Amino acid sequence: DTGVSQDPRHKITKRGQNVTFRCDPISEHNRLYWYRQTLGQGPEFLTYFQNEAQLEKSRLLSDRFSAERPKGSFSTLEIQRTEQGDSAMYLCASSLVGPGTEETDTQYFGPGTRLTVL
Amino acid sequence: DQQVKQNSPSLSVQEGRISILNCDYTNSMFDYFLWYKKYPAEGPTFLISISSIKDKNEDGRFTVFLNKSAKHLSLHIVPSQPGDSAVYFCAASPFLNSGNTPLVFGKGTRLSVIA
Repeated sequence: DTGVSQDPRHKITKRGQNVTFRCDPISEHNRLYWYRQTLGQGPEFLTYFQNEAQLEKSRLLSDRFSAERPKGSFSTLEIQRTEQGDSAMYLCASSLVGPGTEETDTQYFGPGTRLTVL
Repeated sequence: DQQVKQNSPSLSVQEGRISILNCDYTNSMFDYFLWYKKYPAEGPTFLISISSIKDKNEDGRFTVFLNKSAKHLSLHIVPSQPGDSAVYFCAASPFLNSGNTPLVFGKGTRLSVIA
């Protein structure tokens, strides 16, 4: 049983550099979510896709953040011109919704990518 | 403005006893509630959920209770085991037919089960 995978698990970068994270969802799942978690807080929603369509992106933290899911399978989250405040755990989750499923959305999380900006 | 609140940052329980973790929410649009367990340096692991049409859901040692009128839910773990020691997050979302369903999380409660 392959769960959600994320790569890399850890990323250390210098302020001003661009970083890109990858998420591979559970294979049959059509929804993919990105969250950010900082110390002492619960995960905070950033954006999500249903298949290749990005249905909500207003919660991305700034225009330096962008996400793609070009073929409706894996997704990437890019942060441009990183700042020290971007240091956090970036979590990806996936779920299966649609006809034949319940009207609830149970999301399964990957292990996360911990970003440290020096 | 926190829509999901876990007011106890930590909880210690003796092995074999019951652990009760509490969660309150403010948004009446929430219809689906989930509990996740998180170990350090790992992502949250789904534990159990409940929809607003029910008031109880049970899965092995884990039971979630929902009091919709009080906007309160709780997770009971019986009996508690040392391996249950982790941070537990309460999360909520609307039903799918209301549109977007991002999860809104509480800040978590750190459970320590003492042998």
